[in-house]
Amino acid sequence: DTEVTQTPKHLVMGMTNKKSLKCEQHMGHRAMYWYKQKAKKPPELMFVYSYEKLSINESVPSRFSPECPNSSLLNLHLHALQPEDSALYLCASSQTYNEQFFGPGTRLTVL
Amino acid sequence: RKEVEQDPGPFNVPEGATVAFNCTYSNSASQSFFWYRQDCRKEPKLLMSVYSSGNEDGRFTAQLNRASQYISLLIRDSKLSDSATYLCVVNDPGGGADGLTFGKGTHLIIQP
Repeated sequence: DTEVTQTPKHLVMGMTNKKSLKCEQHMGHRAMYWYKQKAKKPPELMFVYSYEKLSINESVPSRFSPECPNSSLLNLHLHALQPEDSALYLCASSQTYNEQFFGPGTRLTVL
Repeated sequence: RKEVEQDPGPFNVPEGATVAFNCTYSNSASQSFFWYRQDCRKEPKLLMSVYSSGNEDGRFTAQLNRASQYISLLIRDSKLSDSATYLCVVNDPGGGADGLTFGKGTHLIIQP
């Protein structure tokens, strides 16, 4: 299994909602990542988990809260988002801290 | 600040032609280099890693020039399906897992 899966594929939420994005990989990778990508821009790193511990937080607002329940799962909890947070949220994983493999992403719209 | 620079294009190329992209990076200590391909509204997919000795995978050849801090990608006999955005990517591992630094991407359009 060489896939990274993400759910949901699409999400529409209001500014007062709480929702969660989920990511799963079964490749035995020990590093997992969240990226945010706006239209016509490259992905921007948000968080890095290494061996289930948060190792990098790229100054992301606290309305985004990551969680790594185990080595295969990565969640991103969303609360009180703003319309400008609408974007494609990509999860990735890697084994050697080099090549990263991306999931299909969750396309988020905040109304 | 780590930076990766690419010509955004678009490159309009006839089918069957050869096309080349370059990319420059600012951090001389960078250690790992990649080309990713991204189709519209899809996730980036790893195309190939770039090694110091250069490497080839079918119609695709990647080169790394550490002295000049640039990376290149050559596509021979281009196909319509090669139309995509090509992202130059650099990883500066500091002993642990680090995120990737992406260039803004080069948009390639292969025309029939």
